[in-house]
Amino acid sequence: EAGVAQSPRYKIIEKRQSVAFWCNPISGHATLYWYQQILGQGPKLLIQFQNNGVVDDSQLPKDRFSAERLKGVDSTLKIQPAKLEDSAVYLCASSLPNGNTIYFGEGSWLTVV
Amino acid sequence: AQSVTQLGSHVSVSEGALVLLRCNYSSSVPPYLFWYVQYPNQGLQLLLKYTSAATLVKGINGFEAEFKKSETSFHLTKPSAHMSDAAEYFCAVSGSSNTGKLIFGQGTTLQVKP
Repeated sequence: EAGVAQSPRYKIIEKRQSVAFWCNPISGHATLYWYQQILGQGPKLLIQFQNNGVVDDSQLPKDRFSAERLKGVDSTLKIQPAKLEDSAVYLCASSLPNGNTIYFGEGSWLTVV
Repeated sequence: AQSVTQLGSHVSVSEGALVLLRCNYSSSVPPYLFWYVQYPNQGLQLLLKYTSAATLVKGINGFEAEFKKSETSFHLTKPSAHMSDAAEYFCAVSGSSNTGKLIFGQGTTLQVKP
């Protein structure tokens, strides 16, 4: 069974530039999550989708972050404009609707300089 | 609200020694509890989970954890450490609404010395 796929794996951008990350969840997983993991910290949920609807985006900095999940499968997370403090690993994860087991991708590493 | 505290950001053990990584949680509802492992430059891999069945949970790679409600703890153990166990370990609790949202601790880095 294929896991959660993410791209790009690594990205370096200058502050005030924009960046987009893509995620393809495990087939059949209706729930998709984006987590932000800053170095030395545990992951923090940014946004959760159920199919193509948003369940929780309470910790998403909406002035600069946006995410969409068109057609209820793939998802894109965008940051514009990026700040230095956005340097982190962005983890995509997916699960079946009961959410008991969440499977993570390998992450997209962002460095903002 | 729910929260997780992992005691000790770094733990160092000798190869073959007991591994004990501590996790305490706070939850106003019966929790689901998880341990994840993260190897360098990789994503999170589920080690084990507690979902209100048996209090002693066995996971992959010889790890196990015991849910103790009276102590609000979910410590991770392994009888004999292997060099390949060196990684970062995260304890997590599911959100109170059971939407699947995970709340993570700060993580514990396990070092295994030869």
